[in-house]
Amino acid sequence: DTAVSQTPKYLVTQMGNDKSIKCEQNLGHDTMYWYKQDSKKFLKIMFSYNNKELIINETVPNRFSPKSPDKAHLNLHINSLELGDSAVYFCASSHQETQYFGPGTRLLVL
Amino acid sequence: GDSVTQMEGPVTLSEEAFLTINCTYTATGYPSLFWYVQYPGEGLQLLLKATKADDKGSNKGFEATYRKETTSFHLEKGSVQVSDSAVYFCALSEGGQGGKLIFGQGTELSVKP
Repeated sequence: DTAVSQTPKYLVTQMGNDKSIKCEQNLGHDTMYWYKQDSKKFLKIMFSYNNKELIINETVPNRFSPKSPDKAHLNLHINSLELGDSAVYFCASSHQETQYFGPGTRLLVL
Repeated sequence: GDSVTQMEGPVTLSEEAFLTINCTYTATGYPSLFWYVQYPGEGLQLLLKATKADDKGSNKGFEATYRKETTSFHLEKGSVQVSDSAVYFCALSEGGQGGKLIFGQGTELSVKP
């Protein structure tokens, strides 16, 4: 009965590869998000979707492409991975202003 | 733009000590304010929130009061436990459709037995 789930939990890959992270929420929320947490634990919004429509794109490189097939899913595809993409990526969904986070995907680019 | 500033960590306390983690914000409107907690290796969990001035959020012995006059939302707990060791994030919501959370830099708390 996990509320917000992400797969995979860990992702280790080589520079230049393309990878995807999946997120699903079973809370019935209309809005979903992707956040990036860097090595100093700083969290920053990347994208926000409301009912499958992009609402926020916070000057993220074009290599990052979110896709929302339905309002319960928000996936993140990353092309041509770079060393600086190494981080923890969190998916979240919200009811009104309260956001509920997934467990995170720890991405390491070698 | 809107921003959140937290006290620098790490904060190290003995069990049963009093905890204060300072948080101040800058916002053009009237944001909602949140404290989230991240235990080692886990995601963020909502700890408490307040949506308007003078509201007090509370949960698990933690409290924070929305102070508009000082633009602050300090987190307090009267007696910390080892299990409270985690990173604490103060955040504000800009509201609106798909409104994002703006986080402070996080404060690491370590509680020693």
